[in-house]
Amino acid sequence: RKEVEQDPGPFNVPEGATVAFNCTYSNSASQSFFWYRQDCRKEPKLLMSVYSSGNEDGRFTAQLNRASQYISLLIRDSKLSDSATYLCVVNVSPGKLIFGQGTELSVKP
Amino acid sequence: NAGVMQNPRHLVRRRGQEARLRCSPMKGHSHVYWYRQLPEEGLKFMVYLQKENIIDESGMPKERFSAEFPKEGPSILRIQQVVRGDSAAYFCASSLGGSGTEAFFGQGTRLTVV
Repeated sequence: RKEVEQDPGPFNVPEGATVAFNCTYSNSASQSFFWYRQDCRKEPKLLMSVYSSGNEDGRFTAQLNRASQYISLLIRDSKLSDSATYLCVVNVSPGKLIFGQGTELSVKP
Repeated sequence: NAGVMQNPRHLVRRRGQEARLRCSPMKGHSHVYWYRQLPEEGLKFMVYLQKENIIDESGMPKERFSAEFPKEGPSILRIQQVVRGDSAAYFCASSLGGSGTEAFFGQGTRLTVV
């Protein structure tokens, strides 16, 4: 079983749609969780950290369920510029970030 | 404040040569990480270093690969006797602390072995 697993995608959605990505992780001792974004295999960039209480940043909402070892990302009112690969990332030990395979999102006009 | 700087951006090596990839972390960052992204695959952790120390090298291949982060100068990822399967994008990241702090990535070095 992979340490971090994501929906494989690709997700093809129209502008304005709401889209949800899911992610599960296997290491119950994991401490920190993040969503990163990668455009055209350039460098990954942090989108948001994920907390147990859930957190929201504009159109983006991230949730963490430690009991189920499950992380989600919700994007509302999708924009063309949201098209990218979204990476679920888990910090399993100090300094060691484990990346999921990534889910590709394509937002169409 | 410059971001994480990697060079070269593109590197072509013949089989059997050595590849040296450099990474200068963001100013004030003493934690450096190297990741590899093979074509059509996700990022894989290779090694985590702090100044002059290797903290976690569990993702490094046992042979031909080495990494260092000296007291002065950039972090170096060295690949000896490169093979075609080493062709990949190598990303370096740095952070202020270890666990839980944001890691900032460089633009990567794309290594092609011919």
